[in-house]
Amino acid sequence: ELKVEQNPLFLSMQEGKNYTIYCNYSTTSDRLYWYRQDPGKSLESLFVLLSNGAVKQEGRLMASLDTKARLSTLHITAAVHDLSATYFCAAHRGYNNNDMRFGAGTRLTVKP
Amino acid sequence: KAGVTQTPRYLIKTRGQQVTLSCSPISGHRSVSWYQQTPGQGLQFLFEYFSETQRNKGNFPGRFSGRQFSNSRSEMNVSTLELGDSALYLCASSFGGYNEQFFGPGTRLTVL
Repeated sequence: ELKVEQNPLFLSMQEGKNYTIYCNYSTTSDRLYWYRQDPGKSLESLFVLLSNGAVKQEGRLMASLDTKARLSTLHITAAVHDLSATYFCAAHRGYNNNDMRFGAGTRLTVKP
Repeated sequence: KAGVTQTPRYLIKTRGQQVTLSCSPISGHRSVSWYQQTPGQGLQFLFEYFSETQRNKGNFPGRFSGRQFSNSRSEMNVSTLELGDSALYLCASSFGGYNEQFFGPGTRLTVL
């Protein structure tokens, strides 16, 4: 059974600071997704990590994947208020399987 | 190109009633997955349809059912509604298999 665990679940940051969200998953899954959700809204795709060692960056966010450690990270650089949202990581339960399992989400609040 | 659309966006029902939610995928996508999001349980996979066939199913009771039409549009039905069915229901479409899913805006169901 695939389990996806995120930590921390809540993160309050000052603007300009850096922080990392961690995502561990319990079985082999070589594809990892990060989504952003604003309150009352749907999920917005941020990153798709397709292989071991993959690193992707978009603005102040950078995501990486270590399939051997079954760990993905989402690093936030010099946070700004607009990054306040809930961030989810998700993994497929298996190849050719659209049953995705999501972490519980990290609610990020960036304070001025 | 147009994104995933869901109708209705908001729905209020009473216990014991049934409800049908609709999802139109991105043009060309043949896979539609449904998820339930609640504050307590987070995002949970309901089922996936691909080419009119249910391919994967999550751990939900038989009151939750779905179908997919030849144009890839999908409907989800919940019968004998319970208070605990109040949630945001999200559908996501993809090309199928192991591909990135794109989420619709969701239908917020409230059961009174």
